[in-house]
Amino acid sequence: DQQVKQNSPSLSVQEGRISILNCDYTNSMFDYFLWYKKYPAEGPTFLISISSIKDKNEDGRFTVFLNKSAKHLSLHIVPSQPGDSAVYFCAASAYGNKLVFGAGTILRVKS
Amino acid sequence: NAGVTQTPKFQVLKTGQSMTLQCAQDMNHNSMYWYRQDPGMGLRLIYYSASEGTTDKGEVPNGYNVSRLNKREFSLRLESAAPSQTSVYFCASRTGQRVSYTFGSGTRLTVV
Repeated sequence: DQQVKQNSPSLSVQEGRISILNCDYTNSMFDYFLWYKKYPAEGPTFLISISSIKDKNEDGRFTVFLNKSAKHLSLHIVPSQPGDSAVYFCAASAYGNKLVFGAGTILRVKS
Repeated sequence: NAGVTQTPKFQVLKTGQSMTLQCAQDMNHNSMYWYRQDPGMGLRLIYYSASEGTTDKGEVPNGYNVSRLNKREFSLRLESAAPSQTSVYFCASRTGQRVSYTFGSGTRLTVV
């Protein structure tokens, strides 16, 4: 049973445009959500997070939106840059417990 | 800062062979984790150690054992490797205060 789902295996975006990566979850106990970025041959690195008491968190070009009623979160990257090309993992935690990851979305930003 | 260090980076095993993947962190983190990454499956938790002296099974523990040797080191052992264990293995750690993990750079294991 996949508790965190990233239904788009890949996404291709033109440089300078917006990238929107989506994530759905099923466990209503999740109260903290994170996005990780992974380049080939490297480990995942933390990108941005959001607590369930918020509906938006922004860090530079990256914004995460949380819709608790829909059990849905999204990562917006504006403007997209070629260096953003990577695999993006959505992750969730309940009460500080271990993270549950989605399957990942491959983002390709074309120049 | 070295962060989380994993060795080896690459390994090829024959079916039935055993090996131990090593992981060490220098951030004084309490919790450590082993994940495997497979195409279309994301990161799946194999075992974790919430604190020194404790270990617990994750989502996919079969065929693996772990040892939390001390606060710094958390090793993953494959007693009898199988082709289904071909994967990229990541070790991660975190403090008790933050939910976010710090990951190592991974071990790419191929079992033939």
